[in-house]
Amino acid sequence: ILNVEQSPQSLHVQEGDSTNFTCSFPSSNFYALHWYRWETAKSPEALFVMTLNGDEKKKGRISATLNTKEGYSYLYIKGSQPEDSATYLCASPAGGTSYGKLTFGQGTILTVHP
Amino acid sequence: ETGVTQSPTHLIKTRGQQVTLRCSSQSGHNTVSWYQQALGQGPQFIFQYYREEENGRGNFPPRFSGLQFPNYSSELNVNALELDDSALYLCASSSRVTGGVSGELFFGEGSRLTVL
Repeated sequence: ILNVEQSPQSLHVQEGDSTNFTCSFPSSNFYALHWYRWETAKSPEALFVMTLNGDEKKKGRISATLNTKEGYSYLYIKGSQPEDSATYLCASPAGGTSYGKLTFGQGTILTVHP
Repeated sequence: ETGVTQSPTHLIKTRGQQVTLRCSSQSGHNTVSWYQQALGQGPQFIFQYYREEENGRGNFPPRFSGLQFPNYSSELNVNALELDDSALYLCASSSRVTGGVSGELFFGEGSRLTVL
């Protein structure tokens, strides 16, 4: 994998459903994996920055796992709420450092229906 | 603590014109990165400024240029605008001191540029 790729591109779920998305990234020269949530008409906000293989992070109902050897990360949302509707972006540094030079995936658009 | 602010929020230009977008970084952040987000794509890295010097550039032509000022605010300039430059331009600040090499980015809400 040469680029950062996300799937699915969009997802519609009902309130209360649990859901997950995938981010694939180059596993060679791994440095860090970022997840951002981007609500409409707002700015992207960081959810997690993960650096270690096997890392698992949690913030409320949202959690993420990281597998650096195979180059993927999963983002989970438990009991989705309408306010979780947003675009979820993952990103990884290109070229070895993470000083803001991130390569982003195209995002997963989540819509949670009441 | 003030967040990242960008101006203008929206603007319309015609092909061949020049545009300047502005960004005030979050208090205490010394690094500013600019990203372009075209419709249906993820943000693409344009360049980064650290200590008033360009510190890395993505795959963008020289007509995309920038500045960083002593207060760490930044400008993105685009000359000879083309239709494909229509996009949302995001500014993000970070701190190499507190965030370290894995520091998260703090984004503004973006400037929406339309080129006719």
